[in-house]
Amino acid sequence: AQSVTQLGSHVSVSEGALVLLRCNYSSSVPPYLFWYVQYPNQGLQLLLKYTSAATLVKGINGFEAEFKKSETSFHLTKPSAHMSDAAEYFCAVTFNDYKLSFGAGTTVTVRA
Amino acid sequence: DGGITQSPKYLFRKEGQNVTLSCEQNLNHDAMYWYRQDPGQGLRLIYYSQIVNDFQKGDIAEGYSVSREKKESFPLTVTSAQKNPTAFYLCASSTQTENTEAFFGQGTRLTVV
Repeated sequence: AQSVTQLGSHVSVSEGALVLLRCNYSSSVPPYLFWYVQYPNQGLQLLLKYTSAATLVKGINGFEAEFKKSETSFHLTKPSAHMSDAAEYFCAVTFNDYKLSFGAGTTVTVRA
Repeated sequence: DGGITQSPKYLFRKEGQNVTLSCEQNLNHDAMYWYRQDPGQGLRLIYYSQIVNDFQKGDIAEGYSVSREKKESFPLTVTSAQKNPTAFYLCASSTQTENTEAFFGQGTRLTVV
């Protein structure tokens, strides 16, 4: 069965430091992969998605993610954290049935 | 503006009462979804619909019901059979093409007292 695992339920970074959020998927066929962000009491907003056109995907707000088939990973990074990046981040996977399966989420806090 | 509208944003109900959450979209999407969000558990799929007048159970459908009489609307009823209904509920929609993302509403926080 398809699934996605996010390593670390909470990440704390200093303002200006690197943000690294980990996501691994389990699948025997290539999946479609997404990263979403959620601010408190709001819906989810798409950050970026893997389209298979390129392994390095750039998204909104300075985030990017790299698809590594050999490691079955799709980690999310941002070189320099900003206070506005404090939110919960979800990795999601889907296959040909279009249903999204979500990871448990990673909460990011940014220290001044 | 195109988007998904969920109402109400906050909802309080007494235990044992059924309650219906509204979800409307004007994106002309064929597929619509309902997710439940609890702290530390991510989003879990309750029901989804890929076409009008048809819907399928997701991973946690027990105690919930839906209808899809119109393409734009996908209401969710939380019945008294749902043992732990207090949660944040999210509605989403998407096209049915490969690698399509889902678009989400702002959510409804249901509290049962």
